[in-house]
Amino acid sequence: EPEVTQTPSHQVTQMGQEVILRCVPISNHLYFYWYRQILGQKVEFLVSFYNNEISEKSEIFDDQFSVERPDGSNFTLKIRSTKLEDSAMYFCASREFSGVGYNSPLHFGNGTRLTVT
Amino acid sequence: AQSVTQLGSHVSVSEGALVLLRCNYSSSVPPYLFWYVQYPNQGLQLLLKYTTGATLVKGINGFEAEFKKSETSFHLTKPSAHMSDAAEYFCAVSGSNTGNQFYFGTGTSLTVIP
Repeated sequence: EPEVTQTPSHQVTQMGQEVILRCVPISNHLYFYWYRQILGQKVEFLVSFYNNEISEKSEIFDDQFSVERPDGSNFTLKIRSTKLEDSAMYFCASREFSGVGYNSPLHFGNGTRLTVT
Repeated sequence: AQSVTQLGSHVSVSEGALVLLRCNYSSSVPPYLFWYVQYPNQGLQLLLKYTTGATLVKGINGFEAEFKKSETSFHLTKPSAHMSDAAEYFCAVSGSNTGNQFYFGTGTSLTVIP
């Protein structure tokens, strides 16, 4: 069964450094998402992406964050200058176009655990 | 606006006992409802979904959920808990008026006692 893949599985970085988290969504999916989960807390929406542009973003997704689909398969999340509070598990997800009403489920990758020291 | 509420952040059951995890939603239009499971150090895996049609939906690993519009609920059940069911469970809602966004509940951690 096709799956969403994320790399790396773990990333340790120093405060102020830039990080890029990578995702390969399922190939026929058209909607792409990033979520994050701080340890022990809820899954928080960051951003959704469709047709090569951001369709929605949350308050968390400030100017330090950016997303890109550099080619036909990868979908990346960049954090420009990491803060301690960016330490979390970051999940990529994708979703196929269902035609009506957005009733198709999200398919998640296994996440990248980001630790900012 | 769409939202989900999961009552009980932690639920403990004995092995073989009924599992009941509660989810209530608020939506101004018919919702699409989902349950996801997260095992330690893994991503979220779809358990089941309700979009239209039969209100009792069956998912993987013996779980099922019933959409009750009058109660705005979508509770998850399993007749007999297994040790392997210990995980975090998330209810989520989507819908025709949410754009392409999913809204997740805060999650329920299920512990299965041998």
